[in-house]
Amino acid sequence: AQSVTQLDSHVSVSEGTPVLLRCNYSSSYSPSLFWYVQHPNKGLQLLLKYTSAATLVKGINGFEAEFKKSETSFHLTKPSAHMSDAAEYFCVVSFNYGQNFVFGPGTRLSVLP
Amino acid sequence: EAGVAQSPRYKIIEKRQSVAFWCNPISGHATLYWYQQILGQGPKLLIQFQNNGVVDDSQLPKDRFSAERLKGVDSTLKIQPAKLEDSAVYLCASSPVRGSDTGELFFGEGSRLTVL
Repeated sequence: AQSVTQLDSHVSVSEGTPVLLRCNYSSSYSPSLFWYVQHPNKGLQLLLKYTSAATLVKGINGFEAEFKKSETSFHLTKPSAHMSDAAEYFCVVSFNYGQNFVFGPGTRLSVLP
Repeated sequence: EAGVAQSPRYKIIEKRQSVAFWCNPISGHATLYWYQQILGQGPKLLIQFQNNGVVDDSQLPKDRFSAERLKGVDSTLKIQPAKLEDSAVYLCASSPVRGSDTGELFFGEGSRLTVL
């Protein structure tokens, strides 16, 4: 069975400092992995995705994530946080290329001035 | 291109009443999903359609929830009768046909249900 763990329910950083949001997954198949962002009262938006090509994936707004099979991890990073990055972030695992998406519980990112 | 449209955006009802949500996916998207997102949790899949056929409804509480996708386009999710624990945001998402599947979900803004 597939599952996703997001180790931190809430992360708080200062503006201009690095962001690290952690995600671990379990899947019996070769997974596709995604990060989605949800701003307050907005729809979920894709940040980036891994689908068995390069293990370091770059997304929108300066975010990137690295797929590490040995650690079953797909952590999201950004070198320098911006106030507009404050939102809820969801790690998502899928197998069967785009079917059966399973969402993690989410990590709320706060950015302090 | 137009995004996924959902209505209503907000609905307040009393328990035991019924409610219906509507979703219009992106044109040409064969797969349509309904998710339930309870406050503080990640979205949970309720039902997945491929064209107008059901692919997965294993987590749909079928005693009170129903969904249909007529003609493989629009979809309606109904709750009857509603319970307090149904208070949540109901998200509709769509994705392209599998042959050119990007593996990406395109979400609507959701319908927020409050059951009193």
